Amino acid sequence: GQNIDQPTEMTATEGAIVQINCTYQTSGFNGLFWYQQHAGEAPTFLSYNVLDGLEEKGRFSSFLSRSKGYSYLLLKELQMKDSASYLCAVRDNTGGFKTIFGAGTRLFVKA
Amino acid sequence: EAGVAQSPRYKIIEKRQSVAFWCNPISGHATLYWYQQILGQGPKLLIQFQNNGVVDDSQLPKDRFSAERLKGVDSTLKIQPAKLEDSAVYLCASSPSTGQTEAFFGQGTRLTVV
Repeated sequence: GQNIDQPTEMTATEGAIVQINCTYQTSGFNGLFWYQQHAGEAPTFLSYNVLDGLEEKGRFSSFLSRSKGYSYLLLKELQMKDSASYLCAVRDNTGGFKTIFGAGTRLFVKA
Repeated sequence: EAGVAQSPRYKIIEKRQSVAFWCNPISGHATLYWYQQILGQGPKLLIQFQNNGVVDDSQLPKDRFSAERLKGVDSTLKIQPAKLEDSAVYLCASSPSTGQTEAFFGQGTRLTVV
C-alpha cells in the first residue's frame, strides 16, 4: 500500500521562504508530483521528481530523496496569491501506474 | 488546446437518488482518472482508465459507483443510490499516457447529497 504524510497547515509571511515537507511509503515508487490547488479550483501541476536532487523552476523548487522517502517543495519570495493547498502525489507502478495524493498542506501567506 | 471538460459543475440530490457525471478529456489523452475529493482532503483515486480499459478501480465502491469509458474518449461516473457521505467534488483528469507525465484536471463537479 501507500502512505503519504504532509503537514496540515502552514503560515508564512509575504516575501519569505517556506518549505513544505512530504514523506511517503510505497512499494513501487515511480516519481513524485507536487500540485497547487486554490480553494474551489482544480489542482494544477507544479513539479515532478523521479531522480534524487533538486529541481528548480522559477520561485518554486522541489527536492527528492528516494532512499529517505522524502520530498519538499520550496517556495521563495512568497506572494499572497501563493495561499493555496499544496498536494504531494506519488506515482506507484505496482499493478499499473497509479498516482496517489496526500491530504495536502494548506499554506496561508500573510502580509 | 481545450482542457478537460466536466459537467455539471454543481449537483444537489437527495440520498438514495442517482446521479451521473460526465467528463471529456483532452484530445489524444489515453489515460483518464476519476478522483473524489472530500472537503479538506486530498483527491482519492476512484478509477483509472487506459483507453477504454480499467487500470485500477480498487477504491471504487462498486456496490453503488460505476464508471465507463466507451470508445476510449468520454467517460461517465454514476452513483446509485447516493449516500450523504458521497458529498464531495468529483474530479476528472487526463494524461497522455500512464507514463511519467502529469495529469490535467477538470474543474470538477461539486456534489451535495441531502
